[in-house]
Amino acid sequence: SQTIHQWPATLVQPVGSPLSLECTVEGTSNPNLYWYRQAAGRGLQLLFYSVGIGQISSEVPQNLSASRPQDRQFILSSKKLLLSDSGFYLCAWSVRASTDTQYFGPGTRLTVL
Amino acid sequence: AQSVTQLGSHVSVSEGALVLLRCNYSSSVPPYLFWYVQYPNQGLQLLLKYTTGATLVKGINGFEAEFKKSETSFHLTKPSAHMSDAAEYFCAVRIRGAQKLVFGQGTRLTINP
Repeated sequence: SQTIHQWPATLVQPVGSPLSLECTVEGTSNPNLYWYRQAAGRGLQLLFYSVGIGQISSEVPQNLSASRPQDRQFILSSKKLLLSDSGFYLCAWSVRASTDTQYFGPGTRLTVL
Repeated sequence: AQSVTQLGSHVSVSEGALVLLRCNYSSSVPPYLFWYVQYPNQGLQLLLKYTTGATLVKGINGFEAEFKKSETSFHLTKPSAHMSDAAEYFCAVRIRGAQKLVFGQGTRLTINP
């Protein structure tokens, strides 16, 4: 069966520091991968998605970037964190051949102070 | 562009009572529809989905939802609430062939003993 991992689970970072969040998927090949952010009172917002290695699409302009160095690895980064980057970051995957269900990871709680 | 409206950010019911969480969507083309559940500090878990076919969809944990095209609704129901149902519930819509999953703002369900 497929599993999705995210780490770290919790992160507290100062403003202006860099960020790297990692997501990996097991048990499937060539998945579509997604990064969402859940901010308090604002629901879930799609940040990036990827349909293959090195292929990244950005949904909203922001202080973040994403990379996909391997087929089942998706990384969310920032060079300098802002207070507004605080939130709950969720990675998700779906079968590439299908465009319906997305399956979510356990999430990373990021607090920027 | 598609959108999702969940009526009621907080819903409270007694244990054993009917659960009804409302979701209305806006889409110019037939969508895929989803309900996810999120327990505190966890990722999202798929409850059920509608893609095509039967409009009454049964999911996990005794939940079901009915797709009503004429009302552009996809309300979630459960005949008898359990304490373990206390969580946040998200309705989402996805256009066929598109990558983006658009979420509602979520409904927090509280179960009273």
